[in-house]
Amino acid sequence: SQTIHQWPATLVQPVGSPLSLECTVEGTSNPNLYWYRQAAGRGLQLLFYSVGIGQISSEVPQNLSASRPQDRQFILSSKKLLLSDSGFYLCASSDGRFSSYNEQFFGPGTRLTVL
Amino acid sequence: AQSVSQHNHHVILSEAASLELGCNYSYGGTVNLFWYVQYPGQHLQLLLKYFSGDPLVKGIKGFEAEFIKSKFSFNLRKPSVQWSDTAEYFCAVSDTGGFKTIFGAGTRLFVKA
Repeated sequence: SQTIHQWPATLVQPVGSPLSLECTVEGTSNPNLYWYRQAAGRGLQLLFYSVGIGQISSEVPQNLSASRPQDRQFILSSKKLLLSDSGFYLCASSDGRFSSYNEQFFGPGTRLTVL
Repeated sequence: AQSVSQHNHHVILSEAASLELGCNYSYGGTVNLFWYVQYPGQHLQLLLKYFSGDPLVKGIKGFEAEFIKSKFSFNLRKPSVQWSDTAEYFCAVSDTGGFKTIFGAGTRLFVKA
């Protein structure tokens, strides 16, 4: 099975500062990659997904962006953080073949607090 | 647009009680259905999934779910819960032709010992 690594585990940043969250995947090649934000009582909101290097799809307009510089690396970024960016961010991966049938493997998440 | 609705946000049960968590989805096409679980302090992980065939699917730890196409439902069940089932449970649906999975808001289950 796949192993998803995320760092940092927690992050406290001031409003207006930049952000970079990293996710790497082991145990698979050419995966589909996903960034979610998890809010209590609201489930998982899909932010971005990627089906290959350099291919990013955005699900919701927001202050964040994503990049995939390598096959198993997925980065979530912001140039200037807002208070509303606070939350718990999850990275997930699934087998790229027949993707909709495949389970997603999740990382441990990053708790971001913007002050 | 696809959506997933979980009926209960919080459920409290005593050990040995039966469990049923409701899940309804909104989508007109063919879907794949999942239940994920997040135990305290652990990653989200797959509990069970349904693609086709027998609408009653069995997962890990004694859980099962039944797909009722006419009701757009995929309810999760367990005959007798244990304290270790305390967790948050998420229903999810994916479009068979797409890349995205839509998650419900989650149900927090607390099992009293």
